Amino acid sequence: DAGITQSPRHKVTETGTPVTLRCHQTENHRYMYWYRQDPGHGLRLIHYSYGVKDTDKGEVSDGYSVSRSKTEDFLLTLESATSSQTSVYFCAIRGPPADTQYFGPGTRLTVL
Amino acid sequence: EDKVVQSPLSLVVHEGDTVTLNCSYEVTNFRSLLWYKQEKKAPTFLFMLTSSGIEKKSGRLSSILDKKELFSILNITATQTGDSAIYLCAVEKPTSGTYKYIFGTGTRLKVLA
Repeated sequence: DAGITQSPRHKVTETGTPVTLRCHQTENHRYMYWYRQDPGHGLRLIHYSYGVKDTDKGEVSDGYSVSRSKTEDFLLTLESATSSQTSVYFCAIRGPPADTQYFGPGTRLTVL
Repeated sequence: EDKVVQSPLSLVVHEGDTVTLNCSYEVTNFRSLLWYKQEKKAPTFLFMLTSSGIEKKSGRLSSILDKKELFSILNITATQTGDSAIYLCAVEKPTSGTYKYIFGTGTRLKVLA
């Protein structure tokens, strides 16, 4: 258990609305990541962070933004949700015990 | 372009069988190869491999890396229904002050009683 929580765990929203997903960690990890997981595509990196206010884009960043104003929280915002953003979203950290990547429990987002 | 390819895509076996899952990669600046198990929730970490030829073992699961031929295998012996899951392979690479992970699409394993 890498001390990662995600909220909400499930959300249903409508096309065009903004949505913010939260990732919270309690162990002061520097590196944090947001992925989405879809059938046939595996895990795809949306955005990542390497410190407070230090973020960068991953391979599928269009339509998403992130913020990290403090070490423990990494927020993912869908500025105007679309049906193609229906997915399971995982937050991850890089940390001990193996200095590798560990995942949060996930958020299932449905955009109608 | 970096890529990680897993095979087979899916596999159905009976309890007690032995299975071998494959992961090949083409990734610049390789640091480690990771295996995860994913049931109906988040991926859970199984193994990290950094050196060729050194087997990592945990119970009935074992894994080995070949950095010359750029692949890894995950073996599961005496399979049980609880081994049914998606198995993900990923390669870690340091880049631009951080670490990135390139994932394969996974192998879906179903073990029948």
